[in-house]
Amino acid sequence: NAGVTQTPKFRILKIGQSMTLQCAQDMNHNYMYWYRQDPGMGLKLIYYSVGAGITDKGEVPNGYNVSRSTTEDFPLRLELAAPSQTSVYFCASSTRLALGSDTQCFGPGTRLTVL
Amino acid sequence: EDKVVQSPLSLVVHEGDTVTLNCSYEVTNFRSLLWYKQEKKAPTFLFMLTSSGIEKKSGRLSSILDKKELFSILNITATQTGDSAVYLCAVEAGYGGATNKLIFGTGTLLAVQP
Repeated sequence: NAGVTQTPKFRILKIGQSMTLQCAQDMNHNYMYWYRQDPGMGLKLIYYSVGAGITDKGEVPNGYNVSRSTTEDFPLRLELAAPSQTSVYFCASSTRLALGSDTQCFGPGTRLTVL
Repeated sequence: EDKVVQSPLSLVVHEGDTVTLNCSYEVTNFRSLLWYKQEKKAPTFLFMLTSSGIEKKSGRLSSILDKKELFSILNITATQTGDSAVYLCAVEAGYGGATNKLIFGTGTLLAVQP
């Protein structure tokens, strides 16, 4: 299993540009999550999904959108990039809705800079 | 407002030293406390604690939770340079299911010098 994969690893955007951060998992996990980690800070939950076709907001959803058309994929969309969205983004998946547990697998992260 | 506070923010020790990392929390409807190790990439799970006073142990690492005083400690004995990382504490809070939250602390940066 490849686990949780994320692309791209790095990206620089200009203010107002849009992009999609890709996340995929091959473990047949129902639950998937997007976090952001600002420098020197803990992770904050942006959106999560309990299964294909179902998504819900986390702590910091503003400026982002997600979709879950398949069990495997959970892309995160930034429509109008802002400097405040400069962060490292982590995707995670788990077998059950356990926001923190040994079943939650994190992807390697995407470092995004908005200039 | 729910919060998780870790101390110290950073720590420099020498190989062989023992370190204690602290995590205190104030949350509504505590469910569990978790420790992660983060080495430049994604966090990796260390421990999940749900009951007070029961030590969890994995090799040189151990952790314990005090639900009365609302804190947890992570101990690392005989530190090695490979222990250098950010250690994140997180608390899961809520009534269960989809409404739960996972609140992370800012982390403790541990540097182990040879």
